[in-house]
Parts: sequence; C-alpha cells; structure tokens
Amino acid sequence: GDSVTQMEGPVTLSEEAFLTINCTYTATGYPSLFWYVQYPGEGLQLLLKATKADDKGSNKGFEATYRKETTSFHLEKGSVQVSDSAVYFCALTIGGGADGLTFGKGTHLIIQP
Amino acid sequence: SQTIHQWPATLVQPVGSPLSLECTVEGTSNPNLYWYRQAAGRGLQLLFYSVGIGQISSEVPQNLSASRPQDRQFILSSKKLLLSDSGFYLCAWGKGLGGELFFGEGSRLTVL
Repeated sequence: GDSVTQMEGPVTLSEEAFLTINCTYTATGYPSLFWYVQYPGEGLQLLLKATKADDKGSNKGFEATYRKETTSFHLEKGSVQVSDSAVYFCALTIGGGADGLTFGKGTHLIIQP
Repeated sequence: SQTIHQWPATLVQPVGSPLSLECTVEGTSNPNLYWYRQAAGRGLQLLFYSVGIGQISSEVPQNLSASRPQDRQFILSSKKLLLSDSGFYLCAWGKGLGGELFFGEGSRLTVL
C-alpha cells in the first residue's frame, strides 16, 4: 500500500539555523503531496502542497519540491524561529483523495533561542 | 469561509463507558468527512470516512463506530471504551478536488 516515511526526531536546532526534514513516499499511483504542521494541543494546519513532479510548494518561508525520481518531498526553511517549534507531518493522497490522506509519523521540531 | 468544530475538547472516561465525539462543518455543502486518531508516537491513523449522509467507510476494525446523520455532521461513538482508545481524535473535511484536508481542533480522550 501507499506509505510515507519521515524522520521522527526530535530535531533540535538553534534559532536562525537551516532546516531540512526528509520525507520519502511509496505510492501505487501519482500522488499529491502535503506538509502539515501541528502546534501543541491543536489540530493540523496545511502548510504547503504540490500536485505534480517538480512543483514547489511554499508558505511562511517553508518550501518543498516534488521529486518524482527520488520519490521525495523534503521540507526546508532557510532560517527557523522559536515559533516554528511544532510537529510536522508529510502526507500523500492519490486521485483526489476521497478516502483521505496517508500520513508519516511526524517530526517533532524544537527550536532553541 | 469554511469552519470545522469538534467537541468536547477534553474527555476523561472510565473503561467500559460510552463515547460520543461530535464534529460539524460550516460554510460548505456535501463535504467528505474523516475521523483520525493520533496516539502518542504513532502518527495519524484514519478511522472512518464518509462521502455522504449515511455512508460510512471503516478503515480499522475496532470497537468504535461513526455516523453521519446530517450533511455536515460527523459523530464518533463507542458503546464500551477500552484503555487503548485513549488518544487525540481529529475530525477533518475535504472536497476531494486538490486532496487537502482541513482539520478541527481535536478532542483528547483519556480512558482510565
């Protein structure tokens, strides 16, 4: 079946450091890819998405590029802030996704001042 | 704009007691609706989804059930809770076009 693999962490960085959170996927079809963020005690918020190969999703300084050849969708940010501390989830869906998203296990990111 | 609400936000229940979590969506019609569970260190598990009133698909056999009595209402229930039912339950909606889902605030269930 379809699956998403991501580093679980926790990942601890200093403020203004460069961030990369790796995400790779296995899918039987041609997926759409997503990154969600979850702040403590809250639901998930859509951070960015990409629907076809070589698309780059971006939002709030975060970026991720859909790489079909490496089946990857790594999340990056050039300079993290303490407020970026959260859990980040990579997810995919096939064909419009009426049956929901398949999520990775989440990466806990901690940014220290 | 569309909004999604779920309640209660926090619930502490004894083993063997019943459960009812409710979720409503506003500002859209005929959404696809979803219940996910997030257990500590285990990511998100899809429990149920619904593409219309009275239509429920179950992803994981367990002692939970779901119902959709109205177009924008989705209810998660159990007749007898188990310790293993503890977790953070998330309701979500989507339209199936771009594939993205929009999540509620979550309900934290502790079974003692």
